[in-house]
Amino acid sequence: AQSVTQPDIHITVSEGASLELRCNYSYGATPYLFWYVQSPGQGLQLLLKYFSGDTLVQGIKGFEAEFKRSQSSFNLRKPSVHWSDAAEYFCAVGQGAAGNKLTFGGGTRVLVKP
Amino acid sequence: DVKVTQSSRYLVKRTGEKVFLECVQDMDHENMFWYRQDPGLGLRLIYFSYDVKMKEKGDIPEGYSVSREKKERFSLILESASTNQTSMYLCASSLGNPGPYGYTFGSGTRLTVV
Repeated sequence: AQSVTQPDIHITVSEGASLELRCNYSYGATPYLFWYVQSPGQGLQLLLKYFSGDTLVQGIKGFEAEFKRSQSSFNLRKPSVHWSDAAEYFCAVGQGAAGNKLTFGGGTRVLVKP
Repeated sequence: DVKVTQSSRYLVKRTGEKVFLECVQDMDHENMFWYRQDPGLGLRLIYFSYDVKMKEKGDIPEGYSVSREKKERFSLILESASTNQTSMYLCASSLGNPGPYGYTFGSGTRLTVV
């Protein structure tokens, strides 16, 4: 069965500093990979997704993520964090066969210091 | 944009009550999902549906049932609410195989069972 691990439960970063959130997945074939963000009291919003091709994908709000097959990782990065980036971030993996669903990691909560 | 609407943002129910959580999407998506979100556990799939009148159990279906009589509406039912069902409930929908398309989420319903 597929699984997703986000090793960091909480991360605190200063405004203007860079951010990297880790995501490791377990899946036999090439997965579909996603990052979602959840602001307080809100649902989840899609930041970016990877299907195939270029392993560095760009998303909304200045985020990017890199797929590394050899490390089974899909880490999320942002060069300069804004206070509005304080939120919870979820990595998810989906399979290719019809009718399959997404599996989510436990989430990483990001706090931004002024 | 696809919109997924959950009828209530906050609900407080008593132990033993039958509880209905409603979700409506407006873009003719085939797939709909119910997750619950708890701190440190991420999102866990309760039930999902790939078509009208069709449902499949997710990872934690015990104590829940669902109904999908129309394509746009997917209801989650707590047959006899218990305090351990206090949680944030998220509805999502997707077009076709959610692998490449990802989900669109509603804003969530925070349910408290007292």
